[in-house]
Amino acid sequence: QKEVEQNSGPLSVPEGAIASLNCTYSDRGSQSFFWYRQYSGKSPELIMSIYSNGDKEDGRFTAQLNKASQYVSLLIRDSQPSDSATYLCAARDDKIIFGKGTRLHILP
Amino acid sequence: GAVVSQHPSWVICKSGTSVKIECRSLDFQATTMFWYRQFPKQSLMLMATSNEGSKATYEQGVEKDKFLINHASLTLSTLTVTSAHPEDSSFYICSARIWVGLNEQYFGPGTRLTVT
Repeated sequence: QKEVEQNSGPLSVPEGAIASLNCTYSDRGSQSFFWYRQYSGKSPELIMSIYSNGDKEDGRFTAQLNKASQYVSLLIRDSQPSDSATYLCAARDDKIIFGKGTRLHILP
Repeated sequence: GAVVSQHPSWVICKSGTSVKIECRSLDFQATTMFWYRQFPKQSLMLMATSNEGSKATYEQGVEKDKFLINHASLTLSTLTVTSAHPEDSSFYICSARIWVGLNEQYFGPGTRLTVT
């Protein structure tokens, strides 16, 4: 069974600090990895995609991929209250598999 | 990012009736569209995958005769919930995969279905 594992949280981070979200995946054949943000009552929004080992930065977000460890992470710098949401990690080989999400709460 | 629309955004129907939900990719062609269901405080559950011009592939446990999916064109897929019951009340979200470039997958805004 292909799985993506995430800590459900909640993860509480003070405003202005760095939020670090992690996930692991079971399928070594996965080639593409994604982070989605989902606000309560809304649908997921794609915020980052990463395909090769290393870091990928986009504004305050940095995605990190380590295929040898089957590990993906998302760093959010200068966390804002508006970053409070559930973050879904996803991995895809032929089909995209979502984790159950980590609830992030930014403390004002 | 690419835009996916859904209609209606919410619907209330009586038990036993059918409801159709439309999903459109507005600025790209989507060879593959996905339908998900999400109950409150739970994770996304993939219901089915549809490819343009062919029959949908349903996930285990999803009744294909109850949840009818039609992927008529590269920009439109519909989900019809037939003979709806209160337990079908949920948040239904479609997603479309862009077929060029990075093959990213984008979600529609979702349809909240309440069956009374």
